[in-house]
Amino acid sequence: SQQGEEDPQALSIQEGENATMNCSYKTSINNLQWYRQNSGRGLVHLILIRSNEREKHSGRLRVTLDTSKKSSSLLITASRAADTASYFCATVVEELVFGTGTRLLVSP
Amino acid sequence: DAGVIQSPRHEVTEMGQEVTLRCKPISGHDYLFWYRQTMMRGLELLIYFNNNVPIDDSGMPEDRFSAKMPNASFSTLKIQPSEPRDSAVYFCASSLRGHNEQFFGPGTRLTVL
Repeated sequence: SQQGEEDPQALSIQEGENATMNCSYKTSINNLQWYRQNSGRGLVHLILIRSNEREKHSGRLRVTLDTSKKSSSLLITASRAADTASYFCATVVEELVFGTGTRLLVSP
Repeated sequence: DAGVIQSPRHEVTEMGQEVTLRCKPISGHDYLFWYRQTMMRGLELLIYFNNNVPIDDSGMPEDRFSAKMPNASFSTLKIQPSEPRDSAVYFCASSLRGHNEQFFGPGTRLTVL
């Protein structure tokens, strides 16, 4: 069963704008990971945040984690058309369980 | 490194036929995962191996599904007999860090008619 629920399900923005995706989950976790999936391709690991971390950065990506609210957010700054993809959060308790995903469309 | 390699990329078969999906993990990775992705159920973990040994196969939907990993560089997922509801994209992934930072293959799109 899916542990994470992403919000929004779909997001459409213009190049240069920031994109924020949220993930809520149900149980205590060891860590939370974000993955990107381009259409027709496999998933690509973006970033991992541990349960004792609150914020993490990687290039244009910023991830926050609030374990008290069981939620995480992924911020992509200065988006590009190449960021168009589906983004999944995935939580680790005993295994990796993926959320439902957010479809991001970045228009030139 | 070539990444995780899966074959075939597309498979169309008729109900009742045997289907074998193949995966070559990244060299040196000691964890291998098989996932299934559908619109209705999203991404589901089917089974995973550590050092070629199946650790958790609780996600395998039925006895019609079986997976093997005869050596560190090869794994198969077999469906026999196949049914239309098995139509999905099947992904293989490997990692050095257990369930963390998994590297996914391009997937096999299976259509069972």
